[in-house]
Amino acid sequence: EAQVTQNPRYLITVTGKKLTVTCSQNMNHEYMSWYRQDPGLGLRQIYYSMNVEVTDKGDVPEGYKVSRKEKRNFPLILESPSPNQTSLYFCASSEGGQSSEQYFGPGTRLTVT
Amino acid sequence: QQQVKQSPQSLIVQKGGISIINCAYENTAFDYFPWYQQFPGKGPALLIAIRPDVSEKKEGRFTISFNKSAKQFSLHIMDSQPGDSATYFCAASMRGTNAGKSTFGDGTTLTVKP
Repeated sequence: EAQVTQNPRYLITVTGKKLTVTCSQNMNHEYMSWYRQDPGLGLRQIYYSMNVEVTDKGDVPEGYKVSRKEKRNFPLILESPSPNQTSLYFCASSEGGQSSEQYFGPGTRLTVT
Repeated sequence: QQQVKQSPQSLIVQKGGISIINCAYENTAFDYFPWYQQFPGKGPALLIAIRPDVSEKKEGRFTISFNKSAKQFSLHIMDSQPGDSATYFCAASMRGTNAGKSTFGDGTTLTVKP
């Protein structure tokens, strides 16, 4: 089954404790992205990757890091989480960049206290 | 600077009615305009998409109308059903050097009353 998986699905952590949210896709897609979803603000792109070792900032990259060492994986790293990073996070992948359908993962709900 | 503005924020429609959600964009370099549907607890899923070389695209009860000169596009849901109750997002993206970037509207929560 073609899918994007994220782990963990739920995470509660404390300010400053480094964490990683994993994302994996099995569709051999070139493009992958991370978004955060907040009430009334829609989906905002954090980072995206066009291929292995190629990443770039989206609209809200501050406080986040990403890496793309393998085509299928695109982890999101929060080196020092803060309460304002409490949000619902989605990973997505697409075959032909953003001018093609994006497949979204199920989401990771992160709470930073 | 918000590049895609979506309205209304919420919409209540009776079963069988027409739901209309509007989006306006600013960047004329955008060349792909999808609509995503999101149910509670799920990730968004593509519903329908259009490119600026056509003015309308229809898939079943869902239609996108696109007005290039006004830089606006809208989603029409005909014969709305309770199962259509969800959050809808419009989005815009482009090819070329910014092919990885994507901008979403703020979302519209649609409730279809039986």
